[in-house]
Amino acid sequence: EAEVAQSPRYKITEKSQAVAFWCDPISGHATLYWYRQILGQGPELLVQFQDESVVDDSQLPKDRFSAERLKGVDSTLKIQPAELGDSAMYLCASRSRNTIYFGEGSWLTVV
Amino acid sequence: GQQVMQIPQYQHVQEGEDFTTYCNSSTTLSNIQWYKQRPGGHPVFLIQLVKSGEVKKQKRLTFQFGEAKKNSSLHITATQTTDVGTYFCAGRGGWETSYDKVIFGPGTSLSVIP
Repeated sequence: EAEVAQSPRYKITEKSQAVAFWCDPISGHATLYWYRQILGQGPELLVQFQDESVVDDSQLPKDRFSAERLKGVDSTLKIQPAELGDSAMYLCASRSRNTIYFGEGSWLTVV
Repeated sequence: GQQVMQIPQYQHVQEGEDFTTYCNSSTTLSNIQWYKQRPGGHPVFLIQLVKSGEVKKQKRLTFQFGEAKKNSSLHITATQTTDVGTYFCAGRGGWETSYDKVIFGPGTSLSVIP
């Protein structure tokens, strides 16, 4: 069964450093999401792509976060500089019709 | 802003008891989805409800969508230890934008005592 691939699974970084997460959605899925999930809370949408275009990045802290999906397939989410409050799980998801499929997530700890 | 709320935040039940979580949206939804996240895992899609007043069942799970399409519930009959996890509702609607957006509720964490 096809899955959403994410890497790395775990990342520990010092504050003020840069960190990047990669996502490869299920083949053929045009819609790709990046969510942030803080422990004990629901996923919070950071950015939504339709093919290579950003359709929603209203909740993305653009002073430090950036996301791209240059060829409309895989995507990268970058944080620079990382802050302590960025510690969370970063979930990538893709959508087919009305079903959202999540990757296993990338756990970020900022120290 | 747009909000999706869930209650309760936590629920502890004895194995065999029933469980219900409720989801409410600040605005009318085009559909609502339910996800389950096991501890340490990622959200997994359970079901989608689209029609006003819709009721769907999956074995011991019953999902309802309110008549006004602003609320939903998930009911589990005779809980089992395998039901442990956090249940999220996710509302999808126009949210006053030109595209649809999926907003997750904060989740209800279910613990089942054997």
